[in-house]
Amino acid sequence: DIQMTQSPSSLSASVGDRVTITCRASETIRKYLNWYQKKPGKAPKLLISGASSLQSEVPTRFSGSGSGTDFTLTISSLQPEDFATYYCQESYSAQYTFGQGTNLEIK
Amino acid sequence: DVQLVESGGGLVQPWGSLRLSCEVSGFSLTSYTISWVRQAPGKGLEWVAGIVASGGPTYYADSVKGRFIISRDNSKDTVYLQMNSLRPEDTALYFCGTPPLGYCSGGSCPDYWGQGTPVTVSS
Repeated sequence: DIQMTQSPSSLSASVGDRVTITCRASETIRKYLNWYQKKPGKAPKLLISGASSLQSEVPTRFSGSGSGTDFTLTISSLQPEDFATYYCQESYSAQYTFGQGTNLEIK
Repeated sequence: DVQLVESGGGLVQPWGSLRLSCEVSGFSLTSYTISWVRQAPGKGLEWVAGIVASGGPTYYADSVKGRFIISRDNSKDTVYLQMNSLRPEDTALYFCGTPPLGYCSGGSCPDYWGQGTPVTVSS
């Protein structure tokens, strides 16, 4: 089975900071990688699909890159509403595994 | 408006069964692949099961394979998750949604979710 490992597991940052979250797959998943934002009590929200395609209505401060096994999610200038937990998910295998999550907190 | 509404969660004893429902409105159930995703208390997201739009293949996480069954009734616009032989580790908030299964890009992948239904497995 494909394992998805995110780093860091948690991150403290300030409004206006640039933040990068990394996701590594245990084997190649080409560009079958999605990024989600999850807030407590809310459903997951798809931010980026196909490793780098920004969902419509998602602010352009979010961006994704990578292919194969290594991927990144970047938030160029943190806004107060961005503090949440972020998950990568592979959609390559039939297990559709999520990473363990990165909890982004206010410094 | 697109809506997904889960129901059927509750408290069940270990080895018991429960059937969750996900009723959709605002779109045709045959248009999208539907998945169940869960989040245990204090834990991360876990994809559980999915059923393809055409009503064909179904997919399961190894942790539930052989115990859970996903199905759909297009006439009722509803997807079901039959959960058997429940274990305490199945305790979670269960969401139904339309996460991409396979490759999707271009910025217009379906992203519809319900608000979740809680399942607690405990004696």
